[in-house]
Amino acid sequence: EMQLVESGGDLVQPGGSLRLSCAASGFSFTNYWVTWVRRAPGKGLEWVGNINQDGSMKFYVDSVRGRFTISKDNAKNSVYLQMNSLRTEDTAVYYCARDQRFFDYWGRGTLVTVSS
Amino acid sequence: DIVMTQTPVSLSVTPGQPASISCKSSQSLLDSDGKTYLYWYVQKPVQSPQVLIYEVSNRFPGVPDRFSGSGSGTDFTLKISRVEAEDVGVYYCVQSVQHPKTFGQGTRLEIK
Repeated sequence: EMQLVESGGDLVQPGGSLRLSCAASGFSFTNYWVTWVRRAPGKGLEWVGNINQDGSMKFYVDSVRGRFTISKDNAKNSVYLQMNSLRTEDTAVYYCARDQRFFDYWGRGTLVTVSS
Repeated sequence: DIVMTQTPVSLSVTPGQPASISCKSSQSLLDSDGKTYLYWYVQKPVQSPQVLIYEVSNRFPGVPDRFSGSGSGTDFTLKISRVEAEDVGVYYCVQSVQHPKTFGQGTRLEIK
């Protein structure tokens, strides 16, 4: 069974950092792009960024570019979202998803709360 | 960036009645490979999002045939022929023709 599991969400102060992880089972990240999507409280889904099969290509939404970095460890079948200089508006549930132009498998999400 | 605009923002439907959601993009979603990269997702309460329709009109495996997608270029529609109670949730259109990928603002479907 194909599964994605996010972890690493926490309460962090503005300006702080956090690293989220996304682990896959049932398929190999070696063969797929992976996307991060977030949903802030009371708002809709927002695409955050993605990474290609070998980690050589990455794209980000403007609001996180320069602060967030996506990386991949194919040996561990995991993808990471390093979030620096966090802002209150980054508070959201963060989902990872397998990306084949569309997002066919999603994790359950991990909650990031940025607050003092 | 491509802006995706959905209407209506919300709709309340009696079970068994049809529902329709419109999605308009600020640029054509037709790629040079001849495919149109428009997708529909739903996020049901306390669940992760799930894909319903890919490339405008193709139902993802397991999606009931009461869901259908249509459109071209910049104008797209998701239709539910007969709404059921389990269809409650927020529906999103998404474009993947270029980065950054962008979601519509969502349409909340409620059951009367």
